[in-house]
Amino acid sequence: ETGVTQTPRHLVMGMTNKKSLKCEQHLGHNAMYWYKQSAKKPLELMFVYNFKEQTENNSVPSRFSPECPNSSHLFLHLHTLQPEDSALYLCASSQAVGLAGNEQFFGPGTRLTVL
Amino acid sequence: QQPVQSPQAVILREGEDAVINCSSSKALYSVHWYRQKHGEAPVFLMILLKGGEQKGHEKISASFNEKKQQSSLYLTASQLSYSGTYFCGKAEGSGSRLTFGEGTQLTVNP
Repeated sequence: ETGVTQTPRHLVMGMTNKKSLKCEQHLGHNAMYWYKQSAKKPLELMFVYNFKEQTENNSVPSRFSPECPNSSHLFLHLHTLQPEDSALYLCASSQAVGLAGNEQFFGPGTRLTVL
Repeated sequence: QQPVQSPQAVILREGEDAVINCSSSKALYSVHWYRQKHGEAPVFLMILLKGGEQKGHEKISASFNEKKQQSSLYLTASQLSYSGTYFCGKAEGSGSRLTFGEGTQLTVNP
């Protein structure tokens, strides 16, 4: 596997379900990100981890819970979601937060539908 | 505050040129450009750091005007493969988050 991978690619869940999204990067990076991409809206940053420490939570509701056990893996735990949470969830990684020219590499995303 | 991209959409014939602009109301440290094809991940194109630099990537180049707080992406002699949505992301400092614009949908027809 190369680059940034995400599983599952598609997820349909009910409002009472609990599920998790997984992201793995094979680039040796130290920073990982969760973004939400909704139709007709810009990419919204949700969380940032730098060397496994959460450095940013962009006022995300507590029904989204991130976890970063190591620099290569990032999870997004979901529970009691709302239909408006349906979106494409993108994971990205970069060398580290705070570096000039810190390009981010994105995974293919998980298309989430909340019924 | 998110950067403003213009135009929102553009349709080209193969071989034509296009310019996509990205403007900010605040001073910029860097501008990142990405292209996303339908159903795929955004792909990094280039970063421009403050200093008014211009960069090139095949027939795609970009400029960064600090004073005007804007960046422009130039696509010359467009190819069918250039179709997609182009996003600019801005950072206001070296450790700042990226804030993305709404995207410009580019369609290149034969």
